[in-house]
Amino acid sequence: DTEVTQTPKHLVMGMTNKKSLKCEQHMGHRAMYWYKQKAKKPPELMFVYSYEKLSINESVPSRFSPECPNSSLLNLHLHALQPEDSALYLCASSPFKDFSQYFGPGTRLTVL
Amino acid sequence: GENVEQHPSTLSVQEGDSAVIKCTYSDSASNYFPWYKQELGKGPQLIIDIRSNVGEKKDQRIAVTLNKTAKHFSLHITETQPEDSAVYFCAANDNDMRFGAGTRLTVKP
Repeated sequence: DTEVTQTPKHLVMGMTNKKSLKCEQHMGHRAMYWYKQKAKKPPELMFVYSYEKLSINESVPSRFSPECPNSSLLNLHLHALQPEDSALYLCASSPFKDFSQYFGPGTRLTVL
Repeated sequence: GENVEQHPSTLSVQEGDSAVIKCTYSDSASNYFPWYKQELGKGPQLIIDIRSNVGEKKDQRIAVTLNKTAKHFSLHITETQPEDSAVYFCAANDNDMRFGAGTRLTVKP
């Protein structure tokens, strides 16, 4: 299984809602990543987990809260988002940090 | 931190022609350089990568070259096909991965 899966595919939420994005991989990878991608732009790194510990936090606002319950799962908890947070949120995994990263299909988030 | 520049931003070729996309990076500590293809509505797909101890790598119609001295690397696609049409991103990795701005490749049948 060489796939990274993400749920949901699409999410529409209001600014007062709380929601979570989920990512799963069963490749035995020990590093997992969250990226944000705006239209016609490259992905921007948000968080990196290595061996289930937060390794990199690219100064992302606290309304985004990552969680890595185990080596196969990665969540991104969302609270009090702004319309400018609307974007494609991508999860990726790699065997170890600094190795080839494999991306999921993304969650298209719209904040109203 | 790392800064990656990518050119051209758009590229249109005739089917069967070659396509070349070039990237430069700023941080000499970067040691890993992947290339991703992103089709509309999908996540980026790793198509080829190269490490700093290698100058060239080839996989069928796709090749990547790296010049560490000049801090630039390039993607070469030969015998292009319409299904090669997509946005291509280069990236450079030292402690974390930074992407170039992307190249929209269109292959005309």
